[in-house]
Amino acid sequence: AQRVTQPEKLLSVFKGAPVELKCNYSYSGSPELFWYVQYSRQRLQLLLRHISRESIKGFTADLNKGETSFHLKKPFAQEEDSAMYYCALRSGSARQLTFGSGTQLTVLP
Amino acid sequence: ETGVTQSPTHLIKTRGQQVTLRCSSQSGHNTVSWYQQALGQGPQFIFQYYREEENGRGNFPPRFSGLQFPNYSSELNVNALELDDSALYLCASSSGGVRAGNEQFFGPGTRLTVL
Repeated sequence: AQRVTQPEKLLSVFKGAPVELKCNYSYSGSPELFWYVQYSRQRLQLLLRHISRESIKGFTADLNKGETSFHLKKPFAQEEDSAMYYCALRSGSARQLTFGSGTQLTVLP
Repeated sequence: ETGVTQSPTHLIKTRGQQVTLRCSSQSGHNTVSWYQQALGQGPQFIFQYYREEENGRGNFPPRFSGLQFPNYSSELNVNALELDDSALYLCASSSGGVRAGNEQFFGPGTRLTVL
């Protein structure tokens, strides 16, 4: 069965510092991985997907199949990046999402 | 373009009761997925509906059931409520059917409390 692990429930960094949110997965097939973000009082929304290989709001994530990881990175954190971040894997007949438990990122001034 | 809407926003029920939650999909979306998010956890897949039929189900008992209507809106029904059913229930819609694998857009959720 597939599983997504986000080892850090809470992460605090100072504005301008680099940030890395960790995500590890277990899945026997070829993974489709995503990062979702939920800002305060807003709904869950897609941040980026690994197949796009794009940078969104300065964030990037590289799929490392050897380490089964999909860490989210940003070189210079901004206060507006403070939010809950969820890593998710898509699989199954319904292409359903399996989420990690999330990491609450706080960017301090 | 109207986003995904859910009703009600909050709901309080007692153990053993039944509840119905509603979801209107985003305009043009024909696939609806339901997720349960317990406090401090990520969303967990319950089931998905496409063309008014259940298409995939997570590890939830049969007392969790659903419907999809011709206008693609959907209902989630939970019978014989248990305390552990207290959670935020999220609905997500997407277009193109399952094979398209298009982005899922989430609603704001319904907060269910079971006493």
